[in-house]
Amino acid sequence: AQKVTQAQTEISVVEKEDVTLDCVYETRDTTYYLFWYKQPPSGELVFLIRRNSFDEQNEISGRYSWNFQKSTSSFNFTITASQVVDSAVYFCALSDFPAGTYKYIFGTGTRLKVLA
Amino acid sequence: DAGVTQSPTHLIKTRGQQVTLRCSPKSGHDTVSWYQQALGQGPQFIFQYYEEEERQRGNFPDRFSGHQFPNYSSELNVNALLLGDSALYLCASSRLAGVEDTQYFGPGTRLTVL
Repeated sequence: AQKVTQAQTEISVVEKEDVTLDCVYETRDTTYYLFWYKQPPSGELVFLIRRNSFDEQNEISGRYSWNFQKSTSSFNFTITASQVVDSAVYFCALSDFPAGTYKYIFGTGTRLKVLA
Repeated sequence: DAGVTQSPTHLIKTRGQQVTLRCSPKSGHDTVSWYQQALGQGPQFIFQYYEEEERQRGNFPDRFSGHQFPNYSSELNVNALLLGDSALYLCASSRLAGVEDTQYFGPGTRLTVL
């Protein structure tokens, strides 16, 4: 069974602090894809990153960085020097690759509050 | 380049009624997926359409049905509404009907069932 767990329901930080959002996934497939989306109060899910199971290189994009570790089935997301505009709900998602499976499986999300 | 659009933004219905939600995919995309997001939860997959056919379906009853038109836009229909159908309904489009592509989401339709 495929599953995504985001154990942190809500995190509050003060502006300029670094924060890490955890994501743990379960899948029996060797080929799969992981995603992070941001959902601001407006409701739209904004795509942040996609990573396939064969690429364990960490990625950095500005203040955002992602740490993918297959050994622990984790795909964590770090925001450096957080800003108030980072306040949102962040979702981790998994997409398996058996034939005919195209759905995304989402975690329950982590609400990040960045205080000025 | 327009992103995924959905209409209406908000909708209020009463139990037993029927509702139709609409989605236009991002330019160049041919696949539309629908998700239901209850308050405080992650999105749950309802179904996906490609080439005007339902390609895959999640664990939702037959009251939920859909359609895809030749221009790739899509509709989600829900019959015999229940209070539990109150949620944000998200449409996502992708370029290929394959898991390698990324699904881009619209702003959603918030449905309230009274």
